[in-house]
Amino acid sequence: KAGVTQTPRYLIKTRGQQVTLSCSPISGHRSVSWYQQTPGQGLQFLFEYFSETQRNKGNFPGRFSGRQFSNSRSEMNVSTLELGDSALYLCASRKGTSGNQETQYFGPGTRLLVL
Amino acid sequence: AQSVTQPDIHITVSEGASLELRCNYSYGATPYLFWYVQSPGQGLQLLLKYFSGDTLVQGIKGFEAEFKRSQSSFNLRKPSVHWSDAAEYFCAVGARSGAGSYQLTFGKGTKLSVIP
Repeated sequence: KAGVTQTPRYLIKTRGQQVTLSCSPISGHRSVSWYQQTPGQGLQFLFEYFSETQRNKGNFPGRFSGRQFSNSRSEMNVSTLELGDSALYLCASRKGTSGNQETQYFGPGTRLLVL
Repeated sequence: AQSVTQPDIHITVSEGASLELRCNYSYGATPYLFWYVQSPGQGLQLLLKYFSGDTLVQGIKGFEAEFKRSQSSFNLRKPSVHWSDAAEYFCAVGARSGAGSYQLTFGKGTKLSVIP
């Protein structure tokens, strides 16, 4: 079974631009979560989508948004990029909402560099 | 709110030596606990997880962890470290946040170096 895939793997943008990252979950998984990883702040939860609905959002500004499609694929968008948005963005999927199904499996990440 | 503390930022061990990485958590209910490993430039790979039941859980690559409720700890152990174990290790607690949502809260990570 294929794992979580993320595209692109690397991105370079300039301040003020916007960016869209894509995540395809493991087949049969209905939930996709996004995390930001930086050396200073570590791993921080961005948001979670389940059955096309945003269920929870972390403490990030409104410039960070996302969506989920009917096939469970998810995209996240960052508008008006700032230097501090440079990070590794990780996507994770889980199958369901109880017990072992809540285990999250991570993709390889998208490395975003903002210049 | 839940939190995770990994007291050791960096640990160096010799190949073949035993390893213990510490993790303490704070969570009001029975926690779901995880250990993930990350190699440079890569995503997170699940090593093991605890949901309930036996407090000693076995994972991949010869790792195990023990859940101790009285100490709010979930330490990761390996009896004999291999050079390929050099990586960064993250402990995480899973928590529900209403409306069926669920998120992981991570510790800051412990970087493991292995001396040949």
